[in-house]
Amino acid sequence: DVKVTQSSRYLVKRTGEKVFLECVQDMDHENMFWYRQDPGLGLRLIYFSYDVKMKEKGDIPEGYSVSREKKERFSLILESASTNQTSMYLCASSLSTAGGFRNTEAFFGQGTRLTVV
Amino acid sequence: AQSVAQPEDQVNVAEGNPLTVKCTYSVSGNPYLFWYVQYPNRGLQFLLKYITGDNLVKGSYGFEAEFNKSQTSFHLKKPSALVSDSALYFCAVREASGSARQLTFGSGTQLTVLP
Repeated sequence: DVKVTQSSRYLVKRTGEKVFLECVQDMDHENMFWYRQDPGLGLRLIYFSYDVKMKEKGDIPEGYSVSREKKERFSLILESASTNQTSMYLCASSLSTAGGFRNTEAFFGQGTRLTVV
Repeated sequence: AQSVAQPEDQVNVAEGNPLTVKCTYSVSGNPYLFWYVQYPNRGLQFLLKYITGDNLVKGSYGFEAEFNKSQTSFHLKKPSALVSDSALYFCAVREASGSARQLTFGSGTQLTVLP
């Protein structure tokens, strides 16, 4: 089975801190995603990466950055945490859509519930 | 732009009764459709997908979904609900020719199965 592991289940950080959320997948997937989940809003894409060192902004990238130095690891960085970044953060991975594998589903980690105080 | 609508924030059903969680979508081309389930304080688990072929798709835990192109719907169904099915359910769509980043999720439907 695909396993996507997020480094923390729960985090509490102070306003202005730099926050790192780590995600590791063990299935050699090319694509990795960071989503933010808020009640009534579903999942919103923050950043997407389709290869090492390659990234694309999602729908809500402001206040966030990402790093993908190795294929299996995708990090989300909150440069200066603010209270409106209190949320559930979900990492996911999937196979590349190149080569005809366009119909693959995404596999999710268990989520990190971040509270910024 | 593509979109997904889950018109019901909350669905309640008695254990043993059939359940339906509704989803409608909008894409410019052919859709790939997905259902995910989320248990409290957990990530999303994949349930089933429609890519092509038979309009009735069977998935995990006895769930199935029916693709209806004319109504642009992909409703999730189960013939006999269990209390353990209580969870948050998300429908998602991506255009078949689109990239992986273009996966759009609905706002979710909270299913409660009453004993």
